[in-house]
Amino acid sequence: DIVITQTPLSSPVTLGQPASISCRSTQSLVHSDGNTYLSWLQQRPGQPPRLLIYKVSNRFSGVPDRFTGSGAGTDFTLRISRVEPEDVGVYYCMQTALTVRRFGQGTKLEI
Amino acid sequence: EVQLLESGGGLVQPGESLRLSCAASGFTFSNYVMNWVRQAPGKGLEWVSTIGRSGSTYYADSVKGRFTISRDISKNTLYLQMNSLRAEDTAVYYCAKDLAGVLAPDFWGQGTLVTVSS
Repeated sequence: DIVITQTPLSSPVTLGQPASISCRSTQSLVHSDGNTYLSWLQQRPGQPPRLLIYKVSNRFSGVPDRFTGSGAGTDFTLRISRVEPEDVGVYYCMQTALTVRRFGQGTKLEI
Repeated sequence: EVQLLESGGGLVQPGESLRLSCAASGFTFSNYVMNWVRQAPGKGLEWVSTIGRSGSTYYADSVKGRFTISRDISKNTLYLQMNSLRAEDTAVYYCAKDLAGVLAPDFWGQGTLVTVSS
């Protein structure tokens, strides 16, 4: 079975400073259609998740450009260039390349 | 405006059944991949099930054989039939639609709480 591992699980950050989260998969996330289906979602306290990044590096509508996704194959990264107060929450990577979808464990970003 | 409204959650005893509904509006329901995702209290997100545009269905191992995802296109409604419920099924259940042409959940409902306890 595929395993998705996020690091760190908790990340104390400083406002205005960058932050980075890693997501590693035990299997390639390249779909048979040639696309790599790795997404990043943010969940603020008390709210449903919100899509930030899809297909590794595509920013979803309305997502600030301080959020950047990168990576390939089995190794991916979400970077926040300058952390803002509203960025507090839990961040999940999610693979949808396989029919059995899976989330990472989540990374809690706290100021 | 896209809306997803889950309902049907509640308190049930172990072994009982429950059917969740997700009423969709603001988009052409039949054209989108739809998902159920759950979150146990204080825990992370867990993918539960997906139904494709053609009606193909997929399940997490933890619910396979007990849960059934379905949809009624005439009612713009997604369902999750949950049988043989266990304490570990206690969670907020979210429905989510995929982004058009992309395998990524771009819009989520507010969720409905299912509690399995004696």
